[in-house]
Amino acid sequence: QKEVEQDPGPLSVPEGAIVSLNCTYSNSAFQYFMWYRQYSRKGPELLMYTYSSGNKEDGRFTAQVDKSSKYISLFIRDSQPSDSATYLCAMGNYKLTFGKGTLLTVNP
Amino acid sequence: SQTIHQWPATLVQPVGSPLSLECTVEGTSNPNLYWYRQAAGRGLQLLFYSVGIGQISSEVPQNLSASRPQDRQFILSSKKLLLSDSGFYLCAWRGGELFFGEGSRLTVL
Repeated sequence: QKEVEQDPGPLSVPEGAIVSLNCTYSNSAFQYFMWYRQYSRKGPELLMYTYSSGNKEDGRFTAQVDKSSKYISLFIRDSQPSDSATYLCAMGNYKLTFGKGTLLTVNP
Repeated sequence: SQTIHQWPATLVQPVGSPLSLECTVEGTSNPNLYWYRQAAGRGLQLLFYSVGIGQISSEVPQNLSASRPQDRQFILSSKKLLLSDSGFYLCAWRGGELFFGEGSRLTVL
Protein backbone atom coordinates (compact mmCIF):
# COMPACT_ATOMS: atom_id res chain seq x y z
CA GLN A 1 0.00 0.00 0.00
CA LYS A 2 1.35 3.41 -0.96
CA GLU A 3 1.91 5.83 1.86
CA VAL A 4 -0.23 8.54 0.23
CA GLU A 5 -2.74 7.96 -2.54
CA GLN A 6 -4.42 10.69 -4.57
CA ASP A 7 -6.69 10.28 -7.57
CA PRO A 8 -4.83 11.92 -10.48
CA GLY A 9 -8.02 12.86 -12.33
CA PRO A 10 -8.28 14.74 -14.57
CA LEU A 11 -11.34 16.40 -13.07
CA SER A 12 -13.39 18.79 -15.17
CA VAL A 13 -16.23 20.87 -13.67
CA PRO A 14 -18.34 23.86 -14.72
CA GLU A 15 -17.75 27.25 -13.16
CA GLY A 16 -19.56 27.61 -9.85
CA ALA A 17 -19.45 23.91 -9.00
CA ILE A 18 -18.31 22.53 -5.67
CA VAL A 19 -15.11 20.55 -6.08
CA SER A 20 -14.03 17.73 -3.79
CA LEU A 21 -10.42 16.52 -3.82
CA ASN A 22 -9.28 13.62 -1.69
CA CYS A 23 -6.24 11.76 -0.40
CA THR A 24 -5.85 8.65 1.69
CA TYR A 25 -2.81 7.66 3.70
CA SER A 26 -1.55 4.62 5.54
CA ASN A 27 0.70 6.01 8.31
CA SER A 28 -1.36 6.73 11.41
CA ALA A 29 1.57 8.70 12.88
CA PHE A 30 1.15 11.56 10.40
CA GLN A 31 0.35 14.78 12.23
CA TYR A 32 0.55 17.58 9.65
CA PHE A 33 -1.61 17.92 6.57
CA MET A 34 -1.34 20.42 3.74
CA TRP A 35 -2.92 21.19 0.42
CA TYR A 36 -1.08 22.91 -2.40
CA ARG A 37 -2.15 24.41 -5.71
CA GLN A 38 0.30 24.25 -8.57
CA TYR A 39 -0.11 26.10 -11.83
CA SER A 40 1.70 24.80 -14.89
CA ARG A 41 5.46 25.36 -14.70
CA LYS A 42 5.23 27.07 -11.30
CA GLY A 43 6.15 26.06 -7.77
CA PRO A 44 3.41 24.69 -5.49
CA GLU A 45 1.51 27.31 -3.50
CA LEU A 46 0.33 26.45 0.00
CA LEU A 47 -3.47 26.65 0.32
CA MET A 48 -4.29 24.99 3.62
CA TYR A 49 -2.37 23.69 6.62
CA THR A 50 -3.79 21.76 9.55
CA TYR A 51 -2.64 19.36 12.22
CA SER A 52 -5.89 18.21 13.76
CA SER A 53 -8.96 16.28 12.74
CA GLY A 54 -11.94 18.31 11.68
CA ASN A 55 -12.56 21.15 9.28
CA LYS A 56 -10.62 24.30 8.54
CA GLU A 57 -12.07 27.00 6.34
CA ASP A 58 -10.38 29.81 4.42
CA GLY A 59 -12.56 31.71 2.01
CA ARG A 60 -13.85 29.34 -0.65
CA PHE A 61 -11.58 26.53 0.56
CA THR A 62 -12.31 23.99 3.29
CA ALA A 63 -9.82 21.34 4.39
CA GLN A 64 -11.14 18.30 6.18
CA VAL A 65 -9.07 15.72 8.06
CA ASP A 66 -10.37 12.40 9.36
CA LYS A 67 -7.52 10.73 11.22
CA SER A 68 -9.58 7.71 12.18
CA SER A 69 -10.19 6.92 8.51
CA LYS A 70 -6.82 8.25 7.33
CA TYR A 71 -8.56 10.46 4.82
CA ILE A 72 -8.23 14.13 3.95
CA SER A 73 -10.27 16.31 1.63
CA LEU A 74 -10.18 19.75 0.09
CA PHE A 75 -13.46 21.38 -0.92
CA ILE A 76 -13.61 24.36 -3.26
CA ARG A 77 -16.88 26.28 -3.31
CA ASP A 78 -18.02 28.44 -6.21
CA SER A 79 -15.14 27.20 -8.34
CA GLN A 80 -13.60 29.67 -10.81
CA PRO A 81 -11.62 29.17 -14.02
CA SER A 82 -8.62 30.56 -12.12
CA ASP A 83 -8.83 27.48 -9.86
CA SER A 84 -7.75 25.33 -12.81
CA ALA A 85 -4.48 23.79 -11.64
CA THR A 86 -2.99 20.65 -10.15
CA TYR A 87 -3.78 20.14 -6.46
CA LEU A 88 -1.32 18.28 -4.25
CA CYS A 89 -1.91 16.86 -0.83
CA ALA A 90 1.02 16.53 1.58
CA MET A 91 1.26 14.99 5.00
CA GLY A 92 3.72 13.72 7.55
CA ASN A 93 5.72 14.98 10.48
CA TYR A 94 9.29 16.15 10.07
CA LYS A 95 9.32 14.85 6.51
CA LEU A 96 6.35 15.27 4.24
CA THR A 97 5.03 12.80 1.72
CA PHE A 98 3.15 14.16 -1.28
CA GLY A 99 0.36 12.78 -3.37
CA LYS A 100 0.90 12.79 -7.12
CA GLY A 101 -1.65 15.53 -7.64
CA THR A 102 -5.11 15.92 -9.16
CA LEU A 103 -5.46 17.99 -12.33
CA LEU A 104 -8.56 20.21 -12.10
CA THR A 105 -10.12 22.17 -14.95
CA VAL A 106 -12.94 24.64 -14.25
CA ASN A 107 -14.79 25.50 -17.45
CA PRO A 108 -16.36 28.96 -17.89
CA SER B 1 7.59 38.08 5.02
CA GLN B 2 9.70 35.14 3.91
CA THR B 3 10.61 34.65 0.27
CA ILE B 4 12.57 32.01 -1.60
CA HIS B 5 14.65 32.75 -4.66
CA GLN B 6 15.76 30.05 -7.05
CA TRP B 7 17.94 30.33 -10.12
CA PRO B 8 18.31 29.67 -12.90
CA ALA B 9 14.65 29.22 -13.76
CA THR B 10 15.35 27.14 -16.84
CA LEU B 11 18.41 25.39 -18.18
CA VAL B 12 19.30 22.87 -20.83
CA GLN B 13 22.46 20.89 -20.25
CA PRO B 14 24.24 18.10 -22.14
CA VAL B 15 24.76 14.70 -20.54
CA GLY B 16 27.96 14.64 -18.54
CA SER B 17 28.04 18.36 -17.83
CA PRO B 18 28.08 19.81 -14.29
CA LEU B 19 25.11 21.39 -12.54
CA SER B 20 24.64 24.07 -9.93
CA LEU B 21 21.21 25.25 -8.77
CA GLU B 22 21.03 27.92 -6.12
CA CYS B 23 18.40 28.79 -3.56
CA THR B 24 18.32 31.63 -1.06
CA VAL B 25 15.73 32.44 1.59
CA GLU B 26 14.94 35.90 2.90
CA GLY B 27 13.09 36.98 6.00
CA THR B 28 13.96 34.12 8.33
CA SER B 29 17.01 32.77 10.12
CA ASN B 30 18.19 29.19 10.53
CA PRO B 31 15.46 27.77 8.29
CA ASN B 32 15.04 24.07 7.55
CA LEU B 33 15.72 23.83 3.82
CA TYR B 34 14.74 21.18 1.31
CA TRP B 35 15.41 20.20 -2.30
CA TYR B 36 12.64 18.33 -4.11
CA ARG B 37 12.45 17.01 -7.66
CA GLN B 38 9.19 16.77 -9.55
CA ALA B 39 9.21 14.46 -12.55
CA ALA B 40 6.21 13.84 -14.79
CA GLY B 41 3.89 11.22 -13.31
CA ARG B 42 6.09 10.67 -10.26
CA GLY B 43 5.07 13.37 -7.84
CA LEU B 44 7.40 15.30 -5.57
CA GLN B 45 10.49 13.44 -4.42
CA LEU B 46 12.54 14.70 -1.47
CA LEU B 47 16.23 14.76 -2.41
CA PHE B 48 17.99 16.57 0.44
CA TYR B 49 17.17 18.48 3.57
CA SER B 50 19.26 20.64 5.87
CA VAL B 51 18.70 21.86 9.41
CA GLY B 52 21.74 24.13 9.50
CA ILE B 53 25.01 25.24 7.89
CA GLY B 54 26.99 22.26 6.67
CA GLN B 55 24.30 19.79 7.79
CA ILE B 56 22.90 17.84 4.85
CA SER B 57 20.77 14.70 4.84
CA SER B 58 20.32 12.74 1.63
CA GLU B 59 17.10 10.91 0.97
CA VAL B 60 17.92 9.03 -2.24
CA PRO B 61 21.19 7.68 -3.70
CA GLN B 62 22.04 9.52 -6.90
CA ASN B 63 24.70 11.56 -8.58
CA LEU B 64 23.43 14.77 -7.02
CA SER B 65 24.81 16.51 -3.95
CA ALA B 66 23.76 19.46 -1.84
CA SER B 67 25.61 22.02 0.21
CA ARG B 68 24.67 24.76 2.63
CA PRO B 69 27.54 27.23 2.81
CA GLN B 70 25.50 29.96 4.52
CA ASP B 71 22.46 29.99 6.79
CA ARG B 72 20.02 30.98 4.08
CA GLN B 73 21.71 29.47 1.02
CA PHE B 74 21.16 25.97 -0.31
CA ILE B 75 22.91 24.63 -3.42
CA LEU B 76 22.18 21.54 -5.49
CA SER B 77 25.05 20.22 -7.59
CA SER B 78 26.16 17.47 -9.88
CA LYS B 79 29.55 16.71 -11.38
CA LYS B 80 28.13 14.79 -14.35
CA LEU B 81 24.48 14.98 -15.35
CA LEU B 82 22.50 11.97 -16.51
CA LEU B 83 19.43 11.97 -18.76
CA SER B 84 17.40 10.82 -15.76
CA ASP B 85 18.29 14.03 -13.90
CA SER B 86 15.85 15.99 -16.06
CA GLY B 87 12.99 17.43 -14.04
CA PHE B 88 11.62 20.34 -12.11
CA TYR B 89 13.73 21.12 -9.03
CA LEU B 90 12.12 22.90 -6.13
CA CYS B 91 13.72 24.47 -3.10
CA ALA B 92 11.58 24.81 0.01
CA TRP B 93 11.81 26.03 3.57
CA ARG B 94 9.78 24.98 6.55
CA GLY B 95 8.62 26.77 9.65
CA GLY B 96 5.55 24.69 10.36
CA GLU B 97 4.19 24.95 6.87
CA LEU B 98 6.38 24.13 3.87
CA PHE B 99 6.90 26.93 1.35
CA PHE B 100 8.30 26.42 -2.14
CA GLY B 101 10.28 28.56 -4.52
CA GLU B 102 9.34 28.99 -8.15
CA GLY B 103 11.47 26.07 -9.31
CA SER B 104 14.26 25.38 -11.79
CA ARG B 105 13.40 23.35 -14.87
CA LEU B 106 16.32 21.19 -16.01
CA THR B 107 16.46 19.39 -19.32
CA VAL B 108 19.39 17.07 -19.90
CA LEU B 109 19.99 16.20 -23.55
